[in-house]
Amino acid sequence: NAGVMQNPRHLVRRRGQEARLRCSPMKGHSHVYWYRQLPEEGLKFMVYLQKENIIDESGMPKERFSAEFPKEGPSILRIQQVVRGDSAAYFCASSRDYSGANVLTFGAGSRLTVL
Amino acid sequence: EDKVVQSPLSLVVHEGDTVTLNCSYEVTNFRSLLWYKQEKKAPTFLFMLTSSGIEKKSGRLSSILDKKELFSILNITATQTGDSAVYLCAVKVSSSNTGKLIFGQGTTLQVKP
Repeated sequence: NAGVMQNPRHLVRRRGQEARLRCSPMKGHSHVYWYRQLPEEGLKFMVYLQKENIIDESGMPKERFSAEFPKEGPSILRIQQVVRGDSAAYFCASSRDYSGANVLTFGAGSRLTVL
Repeated sequence: EDKVVQSPLSLVVHEGDTVTLNCSYEVTNFRSLLWYKQEKKAPTFLFMLTSSGIEKKSGRLSSILDKKELFSILNITATQTGDSAVYLCAVKVSSSNTGKLIFGQGTTLQVKP
């Protein structure tokens, strides 16, 4: 069981470029969560997706950020026209469902640096 | 607004010491409280607590929840350098269709030899 796989582990972008972060959930998990961790801060919820559906995007910035979880393939977090303030670690987590009994399993994170 | 606050924010101890990490919360529709350990990679799950007063234990780590006073503690006895990490507390709230977690800022623990 490979766990939650995220790639790339490190990504460097210049201001104005696009960043795409990928997340493959654990086998058997169909629920994906994206969290952002800014330096010296805790994890902040961004978005919760099931296959082909965005369930809760209350933590997503209104502009430049989007997420998808297609029927086939990994979940993608996309950041357009990146700015320095987007530099952070982006963690993906998955669960079997959203019930209270299910613990989120986290990936190792993708560290985005915007120059 | 739902809020989770951890204290202290950082802590330095020596091997063999016992530490207590605190987590308080103010949320609507509390469901459960979770502790994670984060080294330089994925946060790894430690405990999930749903009932007051029942201690969960795993080796030298233990945790308990007080739903009346709205807090939890994580104890680590006989600390080792391998315990050095950021310890994250998170609360799961009951919403109609989401199991998202609300995290505290984390407590950075450094255990010196």
